[in-house]
Amino acid sequence: GAVVSQHPSRVICKSGTSVKIECRSLDFQATTMFWYRQFPKQSLMLMATSNEGSKATYEQGVEKDKFLINHASLTLSTLTVTSAHPEDSSFYICSAAGTSGFTDTQYFGPGTRLTVL
Amino acid sequence: DAKTTQPPSMDCAEGRAANLPCNHSTISGNEYVYWYRQIHSQGPQYIIHGLKNNETNEMASLIITEDRKSSTLILPHATLRDTAVYYCIVRVHGNQFYFGTGTSLTVIP
Repeated sequence: GAVVSQHPSRVICKSGTSVKIECRSLDFQATTMFWYRQFPKQSLMLMATSNEGSKATYEQGVEKDKFLINHASLTLSTLTVTSAHPEDSSFYICSAAGTSGFTDTQYFGPGTRLTVL
Repeated sequence: DAKTTQPPSMDCAEGRAANLPCNHSTISGNEYVYWYRQIHSQGPQYIIHGLKNNETNEMASLIITEDRKSSTLILPHATLRDTAVYYCIVRVHGNQFYFGTGTSLTVIP
């Protein structure tokens, strides 16, 4: 149990385009989902916290207009990187936490590798 | 900011126990300690968590000191597949995780 998927696993796009990444909890309802970013040889950095049906809460220094987060259902959250630039190239990872028979443990997706040319 | 400090790297012989320490001296009374590991280019994998008591599951044991200022993750019989970066995390009240730099564990044949 507690499986989280992400799609796509890898994406390459041109500078200036927008990219959408999906995060799904496959076997539990996720009341809260989190988005992280990880640069090479660095640790995970929390970007934002989203609760189903409400606006995401962004960490300091993360541009909410650039990284659009939607958590429309208890099993799906999306992260859209708008007007992507090469410095946005990174490994994006989501996690989900729920209370339907699970504790508030976060379960992580496999990550999405974004490369902006 | 991360509330934990860990040694940057450790080695362990295959088949031996791996003991990974973590300091969390500013932990609050109701904050849990979580351990995850990340194998290269994958999402972190949940290992174990605890509040006050020692915990054990099929993957590992977690020993938390009585004052809760530090803990140790024990992998009883390390295998080559346990080579990974191990993160000790204190879950803050909003359920957020702030990752530190972790410990890169290398299991040596």
